[in-house]
Order: sequence, then C-alpha cells, then structure tokens
Amino acid sequence: KQEVTQIPAALSVPEGENLVLNCSFTDSAIYNLQWFRQDPGKGLTSLLLIQSSQREQTSGRLNASLDKSSGRSTLYIAASQPGDSATYLCAVQGTYKYIFGTGTRLKVLA
Amino acid sequence: DVKVTQSSRYLVKRTGEKVFLECVQDMDHENMFWYRQDPGLGLRLIYFSYDVKMKEKGDIPEGYSVSREKKERFSLILESASTNQTSMYLCASIHRQEPHFGDGTRLSIL
Repeated sequence: KQEVTQIPAALSVPEGENLVLNCSFTDSAIYNLQWFRQDPGKGLTSLLLIQSSQREQTSGRLNASLDKSSGRSTLYIAASQPGDSATYLCAVQGTYKYIFGTGTRLKVLA
Repeated sequence: DVKVTQSSRYLVKRTGEKVFLECVQDMDHENMFWYRQDPGLGLRLIYFSYDVKMKEKGDIPEGYSVSREKKERFSLILESASTNQTSMYLCASIHRQEPHFGDGTRLSIL
C-alpha cells in the first residue's frame, strides 16, 4: 500500500531564505507526483505536476524534483516571502487515486 | 478556469442525522473525488467516481455513501452522522491529470 511522508511537519524561516521541503513515497509505480499549496480554511491549489518520466519542473521561484527509483521528491522555494506561508502537500497518483502526504506547514517571518 | 463548488463552507449537524454534502464542477470532468482532512492524518479518500452512476470505495468509505446522477454533481452522504465524522471535507475533480479542489466544507457533528 502506497504511503507518502513529508518532513518536516512544520518549518519557520526568515524572509529571503531558500528552503527545501521533502516528500517520500514507498511504491515507485506512480503516474505522476504533484505539489499543492493549502491556505488556512481553503482547498488545495496545484503548484507543480511532475510526470513519472520527468525529473523536475519549475514555476517561478519554485522547483520540484522527482527521483522515482528512490521514492523521493523535493520542493525548492527560492527567496522565500511571507506570502509563501501555507501548508504544502505532495501527492502521488496511482491508477485513479491520489495519495497525499500530511503536509509541511511553512511560516515565513518578515 | 475550472471551478469546483461545494455547497456549504460550514455545517453543523446532530448525531444520527442524514447529512448531504454537495459538489458541482463546471468543466464536464469524468473523475470526481471526496476526501476528508484531519490534523495529523492528511487527506484520506472516501469515495470516487469515474463516470455518471459509477462509484468506487476509497480508503475510508465506512459510514458514507455517494451519488452521481449527473456528470457535474457528486454528492457525499453521511447516512447517520456520528461525532467521529467531524472533519473538513474536500471535493475534487480531475482535468488533464490535475485535480481541482473546492474550498471545502467544515462539518461539525454535535
């Protein structure tokens, strides 16, 4: 059974710092991996989608990598800003289902 | 832009009541999902549907049922609400491998 783990559970950094969020999964047979952002009391917003054949995706200050063989993905956030404060979740897609990690709660201090 | 609308942001019900949570998407997507989100447990899949009148159990279907009479609407039903069903409920539909989430319904069962 696929399990997705995110470390750390919470992170607090000063503004301007570069940071890395980690996601690991136990079954490498995935179609894709996605990173999401969730603001308090809201639904999820998709940030980056990495197909199983890809190694990384970039959008603005965000870069996500995927190493399927080792069951790992990282989300790199450059030059963090207070507006980046949110919970970040990764999810892997099987045949139909998305399996989510429990998220990393990020706080960027001004 | 894809829009997934959940009928209520906040809902308070009593134990034993039959509760309906509604989700509507406006893009003719085939695949729709219901998740619940709890602190420390992340998002867990309750049910999903890949077509009208089709439904599949997710990881935690007990105490729930669903209805998909029309493509755009996917309803989650709590047959007899219990306090352990107090949670945030999130609906999603999938377009081009990308899930789009509603803003969630925070349900409290008293």
